[in-house]
Amino acid sequence: DAGVIQSPRHEVTEMGQEVTLRCKPISGHNSLFWYRQTMMRGLELLIYFNNNVPIDDSGMPEDRFSAKMPNASFSTLKIQPSEPRDSAVYFCASSQTSGSKNEQFFGPGTRLTVL
Amino acid sequence: SQKIEQNSEALNIQEGKTATLTCNYTNYSPAYLQWYRQDPGRGPVFLLLIRENEKEKRKERLKVTFDTTLKQSLFHITASQPADSATYLCALHTSAGNKLTFGGGTRVLVKP
Repeated sequence: DAGVIQSPRHEVTEMGQEVTLRCKPISGHNSLFWYRQTMMRGLELLIYFNNNVPIDDSGMPEDRFSAKMPNASFSTLKIQPSEPRDSAVYFCASSQTSGSKNEQFFGPGTRLTVL
Repeated sequence: SQKIEQNSEALNIQEGKTATLTCNYTNYSPAYLQWYRQDPGRGPVFLLLIRENEKEKRKERLKVTFDTTLKQSLFHITASQPADSATYLCALHTSAGNKLTFGGGTRVLVKP
C-alpha cells in the first residue's frame, strides 16, 4: 500500500486566494483526520470523519475552513479566503477503528504558505 | 482546562545511554495513550500504544509506562543511537470517539 497520499506537497498562495488540499487515505481505513501543525500551537486536530461522515469539527478555526469526504478514498480541506496566519503544515491521517485500537497513519503533509 | 505537557526543551543524550521523556496531562481521563515519532519534513509515525489498565509496554528498545494516578506517561529509549534522533509526541485518546489529542513533542538528539 502507498500509505496516505496528500497533494500538493507544497503550496504558496496570496492572501485572499482559495486553497484546496487533498487526501487519499489508506484503502480499508474508515476514519480520516485533518491536522494542522505550527511551531507555536503544535499538532492540532481540525476535523475527523468516520465512514465518510464528519464527526467532530470543533477544531476548525472558522468558517473560512471547510472539509468534505465525498467517498471512502478521497477528502478535501478548503480554505477560502486564505490568510497569512493559515500558513502551516497540514496533515491528513487515516485509521482502521476496531475496538480500542486507534493507530493513525499520517501522510507526508502539505506545507502551505500564504503571502 | 485540559493540558498535555511534554518537555519543550530538546533532550541531548550520548549514544548508548537511555533517553527518558515525560508526558503529563491534566483534566483528561484517557482510555489509552500513544507515542509517535516525527522526523523533520515528515508526518508522525506510530510507535506504541498503552491502555489505562496497563502499567508498562515494550517494543524492542522502547518502553512506555502509564500511571493514571500521577497522570503521567514515561517513554524510554534504551541503548540510544543517533538514528533515534527525532521529535517524540504523546497523544491521548479518551473513550469518546476516535479523537487523539497530541502533546507538543520533545526533540531528542543522540550524539555519537
